[in-house]
Amino acid sequence: DAKTTQPPSMDCAEGRAANLPCNHSTISGNEYVYWYRQIHSQGPQYIIHGLKNNETNEMASLIITEDRKSSTLILPHATLRDTAVYYCIVRVQGMNDYKLSFGAGTTVTVRA
Amino acid sequence: DAGVIQSPRHEVTEMGQEVTLRCKPISGHDYLFWYRQTMMRGLELLIYFNNNVPIDDSGMPEDRFSAKMPNASFSTLKIQPSEPRDSAVYFCASSPGTGSNEQYFGPGTRLTVT
Repeated sequence: DAKTTQPPSMDCAEGRAANLPCNHSTISGNEYVYWYRQIHSQGPQYIIHGLKNNETNEMASLIITEDRKSSTLILPHATLRDTAVYYCIVRVQGMNDYKLSFGAGTTVTVRA
Repeated sequence: DAGVIQSPRHEVTEMGQEVTLRCKPISGHDYLFWYRQTMMRGLELLIYFNNNVPIDDSGMPEDRFSAKMPNASFSTLKIQPSEPRDSAVYFCASSPGTGSNEQYFGPGTRLTVT
């Protein structure tokens, strides 16, 4: 699997958009970008995933650069409840191998 | 759906005792995963099942750990004998396995071995 690089931490103001970067310069053509988050004392939560097109759901938007070497997770209106560790994971899909490797992630703190 | 259900939520036991953690996956999900999380090692995959069959147990730390899935709605992770270094939060997750890596995690079991 391609290695990902995320900043260890970032702060965000409540009500503003939070933009979380992830570098995956060694990503291969059949690897997807997944985002999960883990709120303190809870299990990880799936957020969104994509291959090359931008994706949006009720939680967030995922912007993947044209060369696919990096991506940005956007929380459009951050709330205090979005304070969590966010994990960017690159993974092949549909290969009957469903192992996810969680790195250190980015600790996001939303401040009032 | 109630989501992934794990029990107990907290377990405190003495070294040498047997510990059994339980998981009920989301109905209809074909894949079930057991993870362990510690401050030192982060979140590690221990084992996962597909249609009740273990597929990859390469993350199981040693023979003291065993996992079973007797049916589609129940799985156990057993540690026998337990040791203080097994203290961690153990998560169970399930996935529909429709070619996607969307996994849905339970609330976890916090295990403390004294």
